[in-house]
Amino acid sequence: AQRVTQPEKLLSVFKGAPVELKCNYSYSGSPELFWYVQYSRQRLQLLLRHISRESIKGFTADLNKGETSFHLKKPFAQEEDSAMYYCALRLYNQGGKLIFGQGTELSVKP
Amino acid sequence: NAGVMQNPRHLVRRRGQEARLRCSPMKGHSHVYWYRQLPEEGLKFMVYLQKENIIDESGMPKERFSAEFPKEGPSILRIQQVVRGDSAAYFCASSLSGSRGDTQYFGPGTRLTVL
Repeated sequence: AQRVTQPEKLLSVFKGAPVELKCNYSYSGSPELFWYVQYSRQRLQLLLRHISRESIKGFTADLNKGETSFHLKKPFAQEEDSAMYYCALRLYNQGGKLIFGQGTELSVKP
Repeated sequence: NAGVMQNPRHLVRRRGQEARLRCSPMKGHSHVYWYRQLPEEGLKFMVYLQKENIIDESGMPKERFSAEFPKEGPSILRIQQVVRGDSAAYFCASSLSGSRGDTQYFGPGTRLTVL
């Protein structure tokens, strides 16, 4: 069955420290993976997707098919990065629905 | 473009009542997805609709829940005879084409509380 796992419910780091939010997926097809972010009192918004291979707000994520992972990384965390982060897998053979992980709350302390 | 709109933002119902949640997609989008987020859990897919058609309802509970996306007007998620376990945040997302590379844009959600 398709599944997305984010093993950390809460990740707390100090400003300027590196950040890695883990995401592992289970899917037999060709995956399309996303990271969504939800800042306090705001709606869920797309942060980045693996097919774009871009860096948004200093964050990057590389799809590793061998390890079935799509970890989100940032070399120097900022306080404004504090938010909920959701990893999601899109299933195109099932209408394009998203399968979400449980989410990781990132807290960046000053 | 105002983005995906959902109303109401907060809805309180007593057990046994009906809840109607509305979602207006972004302008030009004809694909709508509904997701539910139970307390302390991630978002779970419920249903995918295109104008006047239900494409995938594999995540919908078998009873009491229904969804529609008429030719005119918003998409509606309807929950009949609500129970306490229906208390959750319900999010809708819309997309342009539903195909690979497309982006789902999310609304602010409706928080349903069942007393």
